Amino acid sequence: EPEVTQTPSHQVTQMGQEVILRCVPISNHLYFYWYRQILGQKVEFLVSFYNNEISEKSEIFDDQFSVERPDGSNFTLKIRSTKLEDSAMYFCASSEYGYRNQPQHFGDGTRLSIL
Amino acid sequence: DQQVKQNSPSLSVQEGRISILNCDYTNSMFDYFLWYKKYPAEGPTFLISISSIKDKNEDGRFTVFLNKSAKHLSLHIVPSQPGDSAVYFCAASVGGSQGNLIFGKGTKLSVKP
Repeated sequence: EPEVTQTPSHQVTQMGQEVILRCVPISNHLYFYWYRQILGQKVEFLVSFYNNEISEKSEIFDDQFSVERPDGSNFTLKIRSTKLEDSAMYFCASSEYGYRNQPQHFGDGTRLSIL
Repeated sequence: DQQVKQNSPSLSVQEGRISILNCDYTNSMFDYFLWYKKYPAEGPTFLISISSIKDKNEDGRFTVFLNKSAKHLSLHIVPSQPGDSAVYFCAASVGGSQGNLIFGKGTKLSVKP
């Protein structure tokens, strides 16, 4: 069964450094998403992406964050200058195009630890 | 801001019995609801969904019920199996949105042999 893959599984970074989280969505999917889950808290929406542009973003997704689809398969989340509070699990998800009510399928996440 | 609430942090059920997980929501604009299952160190796995135009959707052992007037949905698992032990998340999306799932905090289900 096709799945969303994320790399790395765990990223440790010094505060203030840039970090790029990578995702390969399911191949026939055209909607892409990033969510995060801080330890002990809910899964929170960050951003959705379609047709090479951001469709929607949350208040969390400020100027420190950016997303990109650099080629036909990868979808990346960049945090420019990491803060301690960016430590969380980051989940990538994707869904099909063409049907309004299609479920999002999630990857296994990247655990980001900011020191 | 808790638009989606799962008030039971945990639930324990005997193998073979029914598991009922509950979810309440406050935003009347939600028109698509989903249940995800999550094992430790894995991402949420989609289980079942329901559109707001329906009140029931069934898939094998899993049934989701939606009561729009009460702003309540539930997931029934019959019969429960030990492999169903996981954290279950309720999620909802706003009409017109392709994304922006709003998640509940989750309910940890333990199915005992």
